[in-house]
Amino acid sequence: GESVGLHLPTLSVQEGDNSIINCAYSNSASDYFIWYKQESGKGPQFIIDIRSNMDKRQGQRVTVLLNKTVKHLSLQIAATQPGDSAVYFCAENTGEAAGNKLTFGGGTRVLVKP
Amino acid sequence: DAGVIQSPRHEVTEMGQEVTLRCKPISGHDYLFWYRQTMMRGLELLIYFNNNVPIDDSGMPEDRFSAKMPNASFSTLKIQPSEPRDSAVYFCASSPQGRGNQPQHFGDGTRLSIL
Repeated sequence: GESVGLHLPTLSVQEGDNSIINCAYSNSASDYFIWYKQESGKGPQFIIDIRSNMDKRQGQRVTVLLNKTVKHLSLQIAATQPGDSAVYFCAENTGEAAGNKLTFGGGTRVLVKP
Repeated sequence: DAGVIQSPRHEVTEMGQEVTLRCKPISGHDYLFWYRQTMMRGLELLIYFNNNVPIDDSGMPEDRFSAKMPNASFSTLKIQPSEPRDSAVYFCASSPQGRGNQPQHFGDGTRLSIL
């Protein structure tokens, strides 16, 4: 994901609808990707991860899709709830040589409307 | 299980003062990371340790910043002397050593304000 400096992209979604958050990553050597959720006043919270040998992974109400051809990652949240309002970050790791070092995108703010 | 614990949660101090931020990683995790988060620059990795040894400190802004990990359950990030531009939220994260990559788990951060 690209850092957007002062302005965070915002996704406004109606409660109960599905949300899709997108992330473009930069390094074709990246082989591990994570989505984090950050609520106000808290640290990033792990949601779901995916390795580069997969193109889809599902969790509870969340699905991550990976398209290595276009270096694109997305997070789908089913039946979005008010508690899903937060900033969502994608992060990438370039492999064993980088240890567990992650590079974070700039984040997307999700606002859930009642 | 206890997560990553950071202290203090908030710190307000005058420029020129020494600031020490503390972190207790999750027990059994071999990696520890220090990040800084600002509106302008997002989440930036400052330094990380593996088995208490600093591996990559290329993100440390300048010599005023230093980090130590004297044992597997404790790390400090020190700023001396502090400046107003150091104001940010500082996060500590830890992750286990496993087969392949493992997710990092974050503390709730220290909000630092330098006046």
